[in-house]
Amino acid sequence: GDSVTQMEGPVTLSEEAFLTINCTYTATGYPSLFWYVQYPGEGLQLLLKATKADDKGSNKGFEATYRKETTSFHLEKGSVQVSDSAVYFCALSDQGAQKLVFGQGTRLTINP
Amino acid sequence: GAGVSQTPSNKVTEKGKYVELRCDPISGHTALYWYRQSLGQGPEFLIYFQGTGAADDSGLPNDRFFAVRPEGSVSTLKIQRTERGDSAVYLCASSSTGTANSPLHFGNGTRLTVT
Repeated sequence: GDSVTQMEGPVTLSEEAFLTINCTYTATGYPSLFWYVQYPGEGLQLLLKATKADDKGSNKGFEATYRKETTSFHLEKGSVQVSDSAVYFCALSDQGAQKLVFGQGTRLTINP
Repeated sequence: GAGVSQTPSNKVTEKGKYVELRCDPISGHTALYWYRQSLGQGPEFLIYFQGTGAADDSGLPNDRFFAVRPEGSVSTLKIQRTERGDSAVYLCASSSTGTANSPLHFGNGTRLTVT
């Protein structure tokens, strides 16, 4: 079945550092790919998405590129802020499927 | 505007008891989803409603779990004869159309603890 694998956390960085959180997937079809974020005390919210190969999703300075050849959707940000501290989830939705398959999440802490 | 609301936010129950968890989706959203998130894991799909009907219940772990959405708005997840392994955060989400690319709006979840 479909699956998503994220790099294990927790990840701790200093403010203004470069961030990469790795995500790879296995799917039988041509999935859409997502990054969701959960800030402390809040619900999951969509950060960005990409619906086909070579698409780049971006939001709030975060980017991720849909790489079909490596089945990856790594999340990057050039300069992180303390306010980026949260748990990040990579997810996929297979074509025609009405449900998301999530990775296990990566907890990110940014120190000032 | 109002987001997805889940009640209660916390529920502690004894093993073997029956519990109901409630979800109020965003007004007008036709699609509603239930997920379960165990500690240190990502959410796992349980069931998806399109309107009043369960379009996909393939994620329900066994027949102790049941969900309804009688009027196409509020949904209730029901768990019979609870077990300690049912302890988790139960998340509800809604989307405007339920298409694969329609973003999900999640509630804050109900944390269920079975003692």
